[in-house]
Amino acid sequence: EAQVTQNPRYLITVTGKKLTVTCSQNMNHEYMSWYRQDPGLGLRQIYYSMNVEVTDKGDVPEGYKVSRKEKRNFPLILESPSPNQTSLYFCASSLMFSTLGGELFFGEGSRLTVL
Amino acid sequence: GQSLEQPSEVTAVEGAIVQINCTYQTSGFYGLSWYQQHDGGAPTFLSYNGLDGLEETGRFSSFLSRSDSYGYLLLQELQMKDSASYFCAVSLFSGDSGGYQKVTFGTGTKLQVIP
Repeated sequence: EAQVTQNPRYLITVTGKKLTVTCSQNMNHEYMSWYRQDPGLGLRQIYYSMNVEVTDKGDVPEGYKVSRKEKRNFPLILESPSPNQTSLYFCASSLMFSTLGGELFFGEGSRLTVL
Repeated sequence: GQSLEQPSEVTAVEGAIVQINCTYQTSGFYGLSWYQQHDGGAPTFLSYNGLDGLEETGRFSSFLSRSDSYGYLLLQELQMKDSASYFCAVSLFSGDSGGYQKVTFGTGTKLQVIP
């Protein structure tokens, strides 16, 4: 089954304790991206990657890191989480965008709470 | 910077037609997408417009006018299951990595379908 898998789905942590949210896709997609969703603010892009070893900042990259060492995996790293990073996080993937379109496939989301 | 505007809430009657508008101010515009998200779920792709005009997919249609920086999603024969949040999203050229993969979402329109 074609899917994007995120882990963990739910996490409660404390300020400053490094954590990693994993994301893996089995569709051989070049493009992967991370979003956070907060009430009233919609989905805001954190980082995206066009292919292995190619990453770029989205609209809200502060406090986050990513890496793309393999095509299928795109982990999101919070080196020193703070309470304002409490949010619902989505990973998404797609074939390369083109004039024909670019459907994003989303994972089920990871709800993170930082105390 | 970029901005997208869409109504925050819309209410419509089952069986009716509803139009959700999206206006955008961006640089490097490439295309406009629409996503549906039910409460507690992940966003799912509905449609993409890379060129001006109307795209039809079953009960859903989407329209784009690049000259007006405007698009809309049209839902026909509304069903109760259409109650969800709908997001427009713009795909943008990004010069950082020489590609065009940045995707920015609007804040979403919550559609309530009533009997």
